[in-house]
Amino acid sequence: EDKVVQSPLSLVVHEGDTVTLNCSYEVTNFRSLLWYKQEKKAPTFLFMLTSSGIEKKSGRLSSILDKKELSSILNITATQTGDSAIYLCAVTRFSGGGADGLTFGKGTHLIIQP
Amino acid sequence: DAGVIQSPRHEVTEMGQEVTLRCKPISGHDYLFWYRQTMMRGLELLIYFNNNVPIDDSGMPEDRFSAKMPNASFSTLKIQPSEPRDSAVYFCASQEGAYTEAFFGQGTRLTVV
Repeated sequence: EDKVVQSPLSLVVHEGDTVTLNCSYEVTNFRSLLWYKQEKKAPTFLFMLTSSGIEKKSGRLSSILDKKELSSILNITATQTGDSAIYLCAVTRFSGGGADGLTFGKGTHLIIQP
Repeated sequence: DAGVIQSPRHEVTEMGQEVTLRCKPISGHDYLFWYRQTMMRGLELLIYFNNNVPIDDSGMPEDRFSAKMPNASFSTLKIQPSEPRDSAVYFCASQEGAYTEAFFGQGTRLTVV
């Protein structure tokens, strides 16, 4: 059974700090790892990492995939209160040539204090 | 595009009643997924469709749960009869192709009393 473990489960930091969120996975026929941000409603897509794209960056957010260690990190620099959310890590696998559903970790609840 | 649209946003029902959740995916997306989110178990895949055909329903917890996709722009998730342990947020998501990201709807918060 596929497994995704995120750490820490919760994190409280001050505005301006840099944070690193961790995700490790065990999945058969790994295809991609995705990061989502969930505020009060729907998860919103941040990054997709694959064998051909192991590093992504967007503004203050960046993510790296380590296929050897079966893990990924999500970095947020110069945090702002608007970064407060649950950050979800998910994996997909190759499945008969088509898409497969996402297997999610439990998430990291990040709180940014002003 | 308005994104993935789910209805209702909130549903409170009594145990034993039938509940129907609805989803309109993003136009042109070939894949549609139903997920359930609880504090205990997080986000779990229930079932997904490719071009309106159910592909994997192994995540559907019991026979009380059923899902249909009669056309490319509409899907339903039905629970009959509902039980208090079905209380959760149910998300619908759609995806354009096999190797693209999934976009989530706003969810339906279901409470069964």
